[in-house]
Amino acid sequence: EADIYQTPRYLVIGTGKKITLECSQTMGHDKMYWYQQDPGMELHLIHYSYGVNSTEKGDLSSESTVSRIRTEHFPLTLESARPSHTSQYLCASSVERGAGPEKLFFGSGTQLSVL
Amino acid sequence: GESVGLHLPTLSVQEGDNSIINCAYSNSASDYFIWYKQESGKGPQFIIDIRSNMDKRQGQRVTVLLNKTVKHLSLQIAATQPGDSAVYFCAETDPGGSEKLVFGKGTKLTVNP
Repeated sequence: EADIYQTPRYLVIGTGKKITLECSQTMGHDKMYWYQQDPGMELHLIHYSYGVNSTEKGDLSSESTVSRIRTEHFPLTLESARPSHTSQYLCASSVERGAGPEKLFFGSGTQLSVL
Repeated sequence: GESVGLHLPTLSVQEGDNSIINCAYSNSASDYFIWYKQESGKGPQFIIDIRSNMDKRQGQRVTVLLNKTVKHLSLQIAATQPGDSAVYFCAETDPGGSEKLVFGKGTKLTVNP
């Protein structure tokens, strides 16, 4: 099992603030992902990385940015938070299983509320 | 339209009964499917997966069935327990070939004692 940690667990901030959501994993996984999830709804991929210095945008347009300077760390940044950014943000990493898709391991998420 | 979706948003069962959670997908080229369980306040947790060259796969108390003819996926939970209460998501590989997962809307399972 992968250990993947997200901080903070909950964040309430005012409009216009810059925030960074932290995500770290200790299993040496190359691939990491950020998903956005509204309550009871499906997960939407907003960013992913296949390794150090690799970042790609996902399927859902997002005003956030990510960086991958170290294998274990994949922070997500919002330069100027808005109420429309209120959501749950889930970080995941994956392990290669040979041919075929990876198995994702998720963190517990950061619930962001922008007032 | 959506690539992956659920037939029912909620399902309520009695403890000890069997549960069946359904999922429909639209792309016949999808070749890999996963079920995830998400408990309140937690991230999704892998339950079981199945490849398109299989019709059935069993795990501990769970069985996934794949019907490629009607593009239907189901998760069966035997002897449902209160700890099974959660939202269940099916996911498929990105039909575009990137192997990224595409998630459907979840089904909330409530187990009554």
